Formats: sequence, structure tokens, C-alpha cells
Amino acid sequence: AQSVTQLGSHVSVSEGALVLLRCNYSSSVPPYLFWYVQYPNQGLQLLLKYTSAATLVKGINGFEAEFKKSETSFHLTKPSAHMSDAAEYFCAVSRPGTGNQFYFGTGTSLTVIP
Amino acid sequence: KAGVTQTPRYLIKTRGQQVTLSCSPISGHRSVSWYQQTPGQGLQFLFEYFSETQRNKGNFPGRFSGRQFSNSRSEMNVSTLELGDSALYLCASSSYPQGAGSTDTQYFGPGTRLTVL
Repeated sequence: AQSVTQLGSHVSVSEGALVLLRCNYSSSVPPYLFWYVQYPNQGLQLLLKYTSAATLVKGINGFEAEFKKSETSFHLTKPSAHMSDAAEYFCAVSRPGTGNQFYFGTGTSLTVIP
Repeated sequence: KAGVTQTPRYLIKTRGQQVTLSCSPISGHRSVSWYQQTPGQGLQFLFEYFSETQRNKGNFPGRFSGRQFSNSRSEMNVSTLELGDSALYLCASSSYPQGAGSTDTQYFGPGTRLTVL
């Protein structure tokens, strides 16, 4: 079975500081991994995805994530936080070949302090 | 391309009623998935439809059902509403360039906010 754990339901960073949002997964087979962002009263927007190609994945808005199989992690980072990054972030895992049944983490709310 | 659209955006119902939510996927997308989002349970997978067939189903009671039409539009129905069904219901579509059974990026709509009184 697939599952995702996001450590830290709330993360606060200062504007310009490093953003690090943690995601650990559990999967019986090499998974596909995704990061989505959700702004208030909106749906989810894809930030980036890992589908067994390069382990360092670059996404939109300056975000990137690194797939580390040995640590079963897929942490999301951004070198310099911007006020507009304040949102809810979700990590998701799916099992290739089984369709689009995504398992989401519980989310991390990012606050950016001016 | 237009994104995923969901109607209505907001709904208020009372216990015992039924409700139907609609989702129009991105043009050319053949897969539609539905998710329930609540503060307590987070995002939970309801079901996925591909070419009018339900391919995956989450762990929800039979009161939750769905269907997909030949134009890939999908509807979700909840019968005998309970207070706990109050949630944001999200629809997502994907194109499946690698064919049925593959996993592809899902693009989400803005959701339908259902409130059950």
C-alpha cells in the first residue's frame, strides 16, 4: 500500500529564507511522487512531479524536490521564500500502472513572515 | 486550453437529501478522479473513471457514486446526505498519453464546497 507522511503541519519562514517542506513515502514499488500547492478557496496546482527519471526535479515558481530512495523522501525546497508562497502544500504518491489513485499527505501550511 | 471546471461551486443541503456534482475535464483528457477534502481527514480518493468505466474506487460507502459520459464529463452523486459529508469535493483530470493503466499528472478543478445542515 502507498502512504505519505508530511512532517510539520505548519511551517513558518521569513521572506527570503530557505523553504523546506518534508515528505516521506511508503510504497511497495518505486512510486510516482507529486507536490501540489493549494491557495485558499482554490483547487490544487501541480508544482512538480517525479516519475523515475532524474532524481532532482525542478518545478514551477522556483521550487524543486529531490527523490531519495534510501531515505524514502521527496522533500520540497525553495532557496528564497516569497510572500506569494504562503499556501497549503500537499505531497502525493501513486503506484505506476494502477491508474490515478493518488494518496495525499495531510498537508503543510506555509506562512511567510515579512 | 480551459482548465477543469466544476459546478456548482457552492451547495447547501440538508441531511437526508441527495446531491449531484458535475465536472468537465480538460479537453482531450479521458480520466476523471474525484477527491473529498475535509479538515479532519485531508484529501481522500473517492473514485476514478476512464472511458466511462470506473477503474479505481476508494474506501467510501455506497452512498457515494459516480459516472462518466462519452464526452468524458463526470458527475458524482451522494445520496442520503450526512453532516459528515460536508467537504470540498475536488475533481481532477488527466490525459493518459501512455494509455489505460498508466499514471499521469492530475489537473484539479476549483472544487465544489458542499455544506450539509
